[in-house]
Amino acid sequence: DTGVSQNPRHKITKRGQNVTFRCDPISEHNRLYWYRQTLGQGPEFLTYFQNEAQLEKSRLLSDRFSAERPKGSFSTLEIQRTEQGDSAMYLCASSLGGGLYTQYFGPGTRLTVL
Amino acid sequence: LAKTTQPISMDSYEGQEVNITCSHNNIATNDYITWYQQFPSQGPRFIIQGYKTKVTNEVASLFIPADRKSSTLSLPRVSLSDTAVYYCLVGEQTGANNLFFGTGTRLTVIP
Repeated sequence: DTGVSQNPRHKITKRGQNVTFRCDPISEHNRLYWYRQTLGQGPEFLTYFQNEAQLEKSRLLSDRFSAERPKGSFSTLEIQRTEQGDSAMYLCASSLGGGLYTQYFGPGTRLTVL
Repeated sequence: LAKTTQPISMDSYEGQEVNITCSHNNIATNDYITWYQQFPSQGPRFIIQGYKTKVTNEVASLFIPADRKSSTLSLPRVSLSDTAVYYCLVGEQTGANNLFFGTGTRLTVIP
């Protein structure tokens, strides 16, 4: 499968714990995006990378959230001191470039904070 | 980012053509219109993109009138597997680093 992959697919954690998600984009794609989706809503943009550089962050991305893409390939999204409001589907997407280039989404990681 | 308005939900019988209209009154000159499809527990999937008039691919057609203040996604002869949420997005040709999805239209295909 040469699509975008995300791990884990599901994560259940207790409030206050730290969690980390991984995204492996399509190999030749230089752009990588993170989105968050809650029930009944469309995905909301969190941040994106061009290669290893994080170029934009939404105000939704509080200081408890950090994302990295150290070698311009896979990316990790870490949430520190999780809160129940962090429960959501976290989606990763990648594209060849910006603008008209299609974003290809992974299956997402569903986070449940108890 | 131009705001979009879509119906919250639609029902259709199998085999019918489905048209989902999206309003985007504040669309800018450089904005393109893109539609995504999302099945439960999956990420969104690109369907079609256009700037004006009509675009057709193997999955759908996109109709955009001359004033570009609305667009219509047309799905021919829907099947049960077309049951999904459909999102209309409007964004610039360049620098559209993020996508604004809104709440989408939940299409239910009935046997």
